Amino acid sequence: KAGVTQTPRYLIKTRGQQVTLSCSPISGHRSVSWYQQTPGQGLQFLFEYFSETQRNKGNFPGRFSGRQFSNSRSEMNVSTLELGDSALYLCASSPSTGMSYNEQFFGPGTRLTVL
Amino acid sequence: GDSVTQMEGPVTLSEEAFLTINCTYTATGYPSLFWYVQYPGEGLQLLLKATKADDKGSNKGFEATYRKETTSFHLEKGSVQVSDSAVYFCALSRGYGQNFVFGPGTRLSVLP
Repeated sequence: KAGVTQTPRYLIKTRGQQVTLSCSPISGHRSVSWYQQTPGQGLQFLFEYFSETQRNKGNFPGRFSGRQFSNSRSEMNVSTLELGDSALYLCASSPSTGMSYNEQFFGPGTRLTVL
Repeated sequence: GDSVTQMEGPVTLSEEAFLTINCTYTATGYPSLFWYVQYPGEGLQLLLKATKADDKGSNKGFEATYRKETTSFHLEKGSVQVSDSAVYFCALSRGYGQNFVFGPGTRLSVLP
């Protein structure tokens, strides 16, 4: 099975712009979670989607949003970018059933730089 | 709320040394516990997990035992290699529909 893929891998934007990141989960996985990773704050949970519905949400401002499509692919959007949004954004998918139901499988991440 | 605490890094060891990375957690109920590893420029990879008290997870020579009485899940390896240099994250999940909570990560450098 192919792993979790994220596009693009690298992105450079300027303050005030918006950005959309994409994540394709492992085939058959219905849960997709997003995390922000920075040197200062570590790994912070953004939100989780399951069957096109947001099931959990972390403590991020409304500028951060996401969605999931019927094929389980997910996108996250950040509007009005700030310098502090520079980070590695990681997507993880989970089967939610079976022996690995509570495991998360991570993609390589999208490195976002805001200038 | 739930939280995970890890020993502060970085940890620097010589090849073939013994490794311990401490991890303790705070959570209600009986969470599942995980160790993830992140190599430079990559995402996180699951290293091992344990789902109930006294379970031992093991993989690639790494081991960790779920200790409910001390709320700990320390990572150990008997003989580290240069290729083990990475950042190690301890994490917990309280189950279906619950998001993961990660520790801050511990950077390990193994010198030849």
